[in-house]
Amino acid sequence: EAGVAQSPRYKIIEKRQSVAFWCNPISGHATLYWYQQILGQGPKLLIQFQNNGVVDDSQLPKDRFSAERLKGVDSTLKIQPAKLEDSAVYLCASNLGLAGVRSSYEQYFGPGTRLTVT
Amino acid sequence: QKEVEQDPGPLSVPEGAIVSLNCTYSNSAFQYFMWYRQYSRKGPELLMYTYSSGNKEDGRFTAQVDKSSKYISLFIRDSQPSDSATYLCAMGFKTIFGAGTRLFVKA
Repeated sequence: EAGVAQSPRYKIIEKRQSVAFWCNPISGHATLYWYQQILGQGPKLLIQFQNNGVVDDSQLPKDRFSAERLKGVDSTLKIQPAKLEDSAVYLCASNLGLAGVRSSYEQYFGPGTRLTVT
Repeated sequence: QKEVEQDPGPLSVPEGAIVSLNCTYSNSAFQYFMWYRQYSRKGPELLMYTYSSGNKEDGRFTAQVDKSSKYISLFIRDSQPSDSATYLCAMGFKTIFGAGTRLFVKA
């Protein structure tokens, strides 16, 4: 079974530029998450999708970050314009999203995109 | 005060040692507790999850939850160099992560 795919793996941009990250979840996984992991910290949830609807985007800085999950499969996360403090690893995760304890909490993570803003 | 507190380490132990990793939390409503392992430049992977209080064992790993003290632990027996990674506790329906503890197991 293929895992969660993310691209690009690395990106370096200057502040005020825009950037986009792509995620392809595990086939059949209804729930998709985007996390931001700053060096030395744990992942922080930015947005959660259930199929193509947003479940939680309370921690997404909506003035500069946007995300979409068209057709309930792939997802893109965009930052425009980027700030120095956006330097982090952006992780995508997915799970089945069905009722039941383990399927709700076992999230499968991709390798992440390491963003450096200079 | 952060909702989840975890000592970032680093923690360095010799091969074969018993490792104890811990987290404290402030929200008494948390019912689900997870431990993830994250190797360098990889995404986290789920190691263990527990519901409410008690112990859960899986091979060399044991997870403990003490809800009365708002304290969770992960024990690793017979630690191996391949266990060297960052261990993240996570909890709650919205999956709030601790900062992670970096573990080094020396051969």
